[in-house]
Amino acid sequence: QVTLRESGPALVMPTQTLTLTCTFSGFSVIDDEMCVSWVRQSPGKALEWLALIDWDDDKYYSTSLKTRLTISKDPSKNQVVLTVTNVGPVDTATYFCARTLLVAVGDYHMDVWGKGTTVAVSS
Amino acid sequence: SYELTQPPSVSVSPGQTANITCSGDKLGDKYVCWYQQVSGQSPVLVIYQDDKRPSGVPERFSGSNFGTTATLTIRGAQAMDEAVYYCQAWDSNTMIFGGGTKLTVL
Repeated sequence: QVTLRESGPALVMPTQTLTLTCTFSGFSVIDDEMCVSWVRQSPGKALEWLALIDWDDDKYYSTSLKTRLTISKDPSKNQVVLTVTNVGPVDTATYFCARTLLVAVGDYHMDVWGKGTTVAVSS
Repeated sequence: SYELTQPPSVSVSPGQTANITCSGDKLGDKYVCWYQQVSGQSPVLVIYQDDKRPSGVPERFSGSNFGTTATLTIRGAQAMDEAVYYCQAWDSNTMIFGGGTKLTVL
């Protein structure tokens, strides 16, 4: 059974760096076609993709946020970490991680999601 | 940057067919998947690779993708299908979501 769980601070001060951890089980992030993505959702808003890391350690980022994001993985701990620098109120959201499969060229889809962790940015 | 456009809302009567569209430039040349998000819950994958259903997703969910429009079809819609549906594609090494469509079953 594949499961993912997000963890991180519930409250972050403006301008600080937010560090989120995705701890997963049931798959290995170094197996072919396996990736992990981060997606966020501001209150009442649509899903927003943030970043993806694949089995080969290739990393992809949202065009609008790439200067502030870093994604990394620790296969030995079954964890993927996302950092967001210089946060502001607009970064207040629920952050999800999801197992992402690359089944065919250009077909990245997220088949299992975590429950999400809610982060508020406020002084 | 690439954009996917969805109608904000779609309504359907119970037992009828709902069609939710997702439009983008040459979208038919890309793979599209669809997620269902019930209020307060995490998204769930309902269609991938345009028209494939993950195991456990009811057969009443189907998908297509031609030209500039991908469509999620729900045949025999049920009250439990009331949710926000998002389309998603991959373009220029980034993942793109549509803005979401709120499906109301009434």
